[in-house]
Amino acid sequence: QVQLQESGPGLVKPSQTLSLTCSVSGGSITTGGYYWSWVRQPAGKGLEWIGRIYTSGGTNYNPSLKSRLTISIDTSKNQFSLTLSSVTAADTAVYYCARVGSWFGLDVWGQGATVIVSS
Amino acid sequence: DIQLTQSPSFLSASVGDRVTITCRASQGISSYLVWYQQKPGRAPRLLIYAASTLQTGVPSRFSGSGSGTEFTLTISSLQPEDFATYYCQQVNSYPRTFGQGTKVDIK
Repeated sequence: QVQLQESGPGLVKPSQTLSLTCSVSGGSITTGGYYWSWVRQPAGKGLEWIGRIYTSGGTNYNPSLKSRLTISIDTSKNQFSLTLSSVTAADTAVYYCARVGSWFGLDVWGQGATVIVSS
Repeated sequence: DIQLTQSPSFLSASVGDRVTITCRASQGISSYLVWYQQKPGRAPRLLIYAASTLQTGVPSRFSGSGSGTEFTLTISSLQPEDFATYYCQQVNSYPRTFGQGTKVDIK
């Protein structure tokens, strides 16, 4: 079955750019017409929807992050990515990638990548 | 943005108890509501989508109901593995939003 795995630096300096990649295995990222999404969770807090991308490259972003956010997809590598610029301590969180399934529920999740923003 | 308010935020229950969690939306979202379970250090797990449809592999003791602005997640007989935090999410409009979570703890 499809599995997702996040990767990227665990430590980012303030004002710099956070970049994460989600690798999809067990199936093609283009099969099934799925959307692919990012969600984050600060330690001890709730979930925040970041955005999603379709295989065509079409995106929807959270307006609270939109000015700093880019989500992209590389179908040749079977992966999609998140880039968040000008980070602050408030961006410290566990970042999850997920597949958007039936009726838009997130049905497959990565294990999560912890990103700390600190100098 | 659509706000989701879960109640209670915390509940203490015993194995075998019937547990109900409510999620209220700040505006109507039809049946575009999803429920997740999250255990410490783990990614969330999809339980229910379309307000009442059980995800494949989820035990039948979980059920969901509601439409419009009020929704419930019910666990008919709480099992030891059900102690976790539960989140609702609206998927009616952008940005998608989550409730603040309900932590179910052992009494």
